Amino acid sequence: DAGVIQSPRHEVTEMGQEVTLRCKPISGHDYLFWYRQTMMRGLELLIYFNNNVPIDDSGMPEDRFSAKMPNASFSTLKIQPSEPRDSAVYFCASSFGGSQPQHFGDGTRLSIL
Amino acid sequence: KQEVTQIPAALSVPEGENLVLNCSFTDSAIYNLQWFRQDPGKGLTSLLLIQSSQREQTSGRLNASLDKSSGRSTLYIAASQPGDSATYLCAVLPINNAGNMLTFGGGTRLMVKP
Repeated sequence: DAGVIQSPRHEVTEMGQEVTLRCKPISGHDYLFWYRQTMMRGLELLIYFNNNVPIDDSGMPEDRFSAKMPNASFSTLKIQPSEPRDSAVYFCASSFGGSQPQHFGDGTRLSIL
Repeated sequence: KQEVTQIPAALSVPEGENLVLNCSFTDSAIYNLQWFRQDPGKGLTSLLLIQSSQREQTSGRLNASLDKSSGRSTLYIAASQPGDSATYLCAVLPINNAGNMLTFGGGTRLMVKP
C-alpha cells in the first residue's frame, strides 16, 4: 500500500518567494495533519483537517501560512512570502479516526535563503 | 498545557545491550501514549500505542510501559542491534481526544554500535 506521499522532497528558494508543499494522504484516512520539525522546537502541529475541513489551525505561525484540502486525496501548505526562519522539515500525516496511529510522509526539507 | 520530556536526548550503547528510553508528561489526563521511530531523512513510524487503561504493550523486542498516575512511560529495547539506531519519540493524546492532536517529546537519539 502506498503511504503518505509528499512533494517536493527538497525545496530551496529565496526569501520572499511563494512556497507550496503538497501531500497525498493514505486512501480512506479521514484526518490529515501538517507538522513542522526543527532542531530548536522539535515537532510542532501546524493544522489538521477532518473530512477535508480545517479543525484547528492554532499552530499556524502567522498569516503567511495557509493550508487547504480541496478533496480527500490532496492537501497543500503554502507560505507566502517565505522567510529564512521558515526553514525546516515539514511533515504531512494522516490517520483513520481520531485516536489511531498517524502515518507520516517522508517530509519536505525546506530551505529559505 | 501538556509538556512531554524525553531523557536522555542521546544515547550510545554497544550492540546486544538491553536499554530503556524514558518519557514523562505533565498532565495525566491522556487518552493514549504512542512511541514512534524516526530514521534520518524520513518521517515517523508508529511502533507501539498504549491506551490509558493499559499498562504495557509489546512488539517483538520492544516493550512499552505506561504509569499514568506518575506521568511516565518507558520503551524497553531488548538485545539492541545496529539497525535500532534512530530517534525515538513519544507522544500523548489528551483525554478529550481533540482530533488526534498529539503532543510530542523532543526525542532520544539512539546509536547502537556494532
